[in-house]
Amino acid sequence: DGGITQSPKYLFRKEGQNVTLSCEQNLNHDAMYWYRQDPGQGLRLIYYSQIVNDFQKGDIAEGYSVSREKKESFPLTVTSAQKNPTAFYLCASSKEAGGRSREQFFGPGTRLTVL
Amino acid sequence: GQNIDQPTEMTATEGAIVQINCTYQTSGFNGLFWYQQHAGEAPTFLSYNVLDGLEEKGRFSSFLSRSKGYSYLLLKELQMKDSASYLCAVRAVTGGSYIPTFGRGTSLIVHP
Repeated sequence: DGGITQSPKYLFRKEGQNVTLSCEQNLNHDAMYWYRQDPGQGLRLIYYSQIVNDFQKGDIAEGYSVSREKKESFPLTVTSAQKNPTAFYLCASSKEAGGRSREQFFGPGTRLTVL
Repeated sequence: GQNIDQPTEMTATEGAIVQINCTYQTSGFNGLFWYQQHAGEAPTFLSYNVLDGLEEKGRFSSFLSRSKGYSYLLLKELQMKDSASYLCAVRAVTGGSYIPTFGRGTSLIVHP
């Protein structure tokens, strides 16, 4: 079964701690994305990667970091520099054609709560 | 930058038809997507338009007018399970690549 998985589903962290959210896909997609969703807001792009070992900042990258060492994996680290990290985090992947992303497939999301 | 506008909330009756509008302002437009998202779940792809006109897929249709910066999603024969948030996403050039930007979503409530 092809798909995209995220873990954990719920995550609690103390203020000042870094935390890493996992995202894995076996769809053989080149592009992967991280979004943040807050109540009443749309999806806001944090980082995206169109190819292994390369990634680009999205609209709200401050306080976050990513890596793309393997095609299947795109972990997101929420650092202590992120001022308001409590949110629902969604990872997505898509096929690429000439830099144009096709429809995105989303993971089930990780709900992060900072205590 | 891009500006994408959708109504915040809509209500409709089971069995009826509802139209959810999306207007956008962007340079380098290269396609528009509609997604459905149930509360607490991942968005799922519904439709894609890149040329003007209507795309039909079962009970769902999507329309695009590039000159007007306007799209709508049409849901027919509404069912209770259609209660969800509907997200409009516009693909346009960002740093040399074509990345979708999402609107805030329209929360649709279907009642009996």
